Amino acid sequence: DADVTQTPRNRITKTGKRIMLECSQTKGHDRMYWYRQDPGLGLRLIYYSFDVKDINKGEISDGYSVSRQAQAKFSLSLESAIPNQTALYFCATSDEYNEQFFGPGTRLTVL
Amino acid sequence: GQSLEQPSEVTAVEGAIVQINCTYQTSGFYGLSWYQQHDGGAPTFLSYNGLDGLEETGRFSSFLSRSDSYGYLLLQELQMKDSASYFCAVRDEGGFKTIFGAGTRLFVKA
Repeated sequence: DADVTQTPRNRITKTGKRIMLECSQTKGHDRMYWYRQDPGLGLRLIYYSFDVKDINKGEISDGYSVSRQAQAKFSLSLESAIPNQTALYFCATSDEYNEQFFGPGTRLTVL
Repeated sequence: GQSLEQPSEVTAVEGAIVQINCTYQTSGFYGLSWYQQHDGGAPTFLSYNGLDGLEETGRFSSFLSRSDSYGYLLLQELQMKDSASYFCAVRDEGGFKTIFGAGTRLFVKA
């Protein structure tokens, strides 16, 4: 079984809709991250959390919100989706060291 | 500002050696990492350098010079399966955030 899972894997939605992307991990890590990947721009950090009570904004948090429901669960919400939020979204976890473990990604299309 | 620069594309032949460079400018520095991502896949961790010098893991090696804000990933005995994107990443701001470069697309030809 995968250590980091994301649901859904693919989603097509319309402008203005609320969308939630979910991430679960079984690695027992405290640190969790949400990234966005666009062609030619690499991975950009949206939000990160070091425990259930600790949520921090990353480089591009505008238009996004997150919820850390438990150590193992970290959700990303788009309150009112817009077309330029069309991208590949990755969740990742890490321990206090350097290696990050990524989920399989969610491909989101906003029409 | 914070930035990492790496070439957008590199092409090499099977069996050869290729070096992917990364220069960085960040407000803090807590180490340089490298990740590999195949098309349609998730990034996977390759290596980490916290101190100056060379780290070797099988066919892959990574180098860091903190005084030059520079590092590289060296891939030896290239195989077709090494065709992928490679990202350098720097831990920043107390080590709490990781900033990724835009990635280098490696094409390995027969």
